[in-house]
Amino acid sequence: AQKVTQAQTEISVVEKEDVTLDCVYETRDTTYYLFWYKQPPSGELVFLIRRNSFDEQNEISGRYSWNFQKSTSSFNFTITASQVVDSAVYFCALSEGTSGTYKYIFGTGTRLKVLA
Amino acid sequence: KAGVTQTPRYLIKTRGQQVTLSCSPISGHRSVSWYQQTPGQGLQFLFEYFSETQRNKGNFPGRFSGRQFSNSRSEMNVSTLELGDSALYLCASSATGTANQPQHFGDGTRLSIL
Repeated sequence: AQKVTQAQTEISVVEKEDVTLDCVYETRDTTYYLFWYKQPPSGELVFLIRRNSFDEQNEISGRYSWNFQKSTSSFNFTITASQVVDSAVYFCALSEGTSGTYKYIFGTGTRLKVLA
Repeated sequence: KAGVTQTPRYLIKTRGQQVTLSCSPISGHRSVSWYQQTPGQGLQFLFEYFSETQRNKGNFPGRFSGRQFSNSRSEMNVSTLELGDSALYLCASSATGTANQPQHFGDGTRLSIL
């Protein structure tokens, strides 16, 4: 069965610190997709990144970086030099299946608080 | 390009009433999904519509229903409201409704049951 685990419920860091948000997933499919979303206090989830199961290349986008490791079924997200505006709830999600029968599973989220 | 629009933003109802929430997806998007978000359960999938047909359904009672119109707009209905239905209801759209597509979310409708 599919499952996404975000063991860190809440993390607090001081501005400019680096922080890593963990995501561990379970799936039996060989083809699947992993996503990260950010939910600021306004409520709207914002898509950050997508990775497919065949692409283990890590990605960096500005202060954000993602580490995908199939061997440990993890897709971790690191924010470098955190800022107050990074304060939000971050969700990891797993999607798999063929068109029409796909499933989209979210983790329970990690609340990040960046203190000035 | 306009984003996903959900109306209303806030609703207060009492137990036993029913409620209808509306979602307008991004123009051109044919897949609309609904989620219930609560502090204890996180994001729970309700159902997904594509071209006016419900393709996927989560594990929710029959009191929760939805539909999609020919212009891809979607509505979600909850009948006989219970206190536990208090939540943020999020609508998301995607272009093709396939597993590789990111979902684009609206701001949500916050439903409070008294």
